[in-house]
Amino acid sequence: QLQLQESGPGLVKPSETLSLTCTVSGGSITTNLYYWAWIRQSPGTGLDWIGIMSYSGSAFYNPSLKSRVSISLDTPKNQFSLKLNSVTATDTAVYFCATSPSQDSYFDHWGQGILVTVSS
Amino acid sequence: DIQMTQSPSTLSASVGDRVTISCRASQSISRWLAWYQQKPGKAPKLLIYTASTLESGVPSRFSGSGSGTEFTLTISSLQPDDFATYYCQQYNSYFRTFGQGTKVEI
Repeated sequence: QLQLQESGPGLVKPSETLSLTCTVSGGSITTNLYYWAWIRQSPGTGLDWIGIMSYSGSAFYNPSLKSRVSISLDTPKNQFSLKLNSVTATDTAVYFCATSPSQDSYFDHWGQGILVTVSS
Repeated sequence: DIQMTQSPSTLSASVGDRVTISCRASQSISRWLAWYQQKPGKAPKLLIYTASTLESGVPSRFSGSGSGTEFTLTISSLQPDDFATYYCQQYNSYFRTFGQGTKVEI
């Protein structure tokens, strides 16, 4: 059974870069069975899809975040990562990593989520 | 982007009730719709995809229907474990969007 676990700082200062990692267990990140995604949830905006990447390198991002976000894969560590730069208080949210069967599909496995607060 | 609107926002029900939650898309999404259940402090859990396909392990009291712009999630007989918030999500394109959620409370 595929399991995902987010990790990273819980507090980030305004204008800095938010960096999170998702560790995958129970399966390989090199598989073609899944795409690797990030989603966030805040009281103000609900659930927002951030972006998604395949092992082959295809990446798609939410247009509203595209200029600030990147997702990358670390195959030796079986992890994938999220970087969101120039953060503001509106980026405060619970961040989830998840899997999707294709580049435009539902999310079938989720990590437990990590709260990231943007504050000085 | 495609806007997803759920109704009602909150639903009060009792154990054994039949519960129906609606989800409307701002444009046609064929049957590219999923439903999730979320409990406080937990990640969303996939219940249904492609509008009506039950995810493995999900109880058969959950069912989904609809196509185009109008969709419904039905719980045939509400159980204590079903009190949670439910979200719809469209995946007509790579730019997925979620509804704002429906909280099912006692």
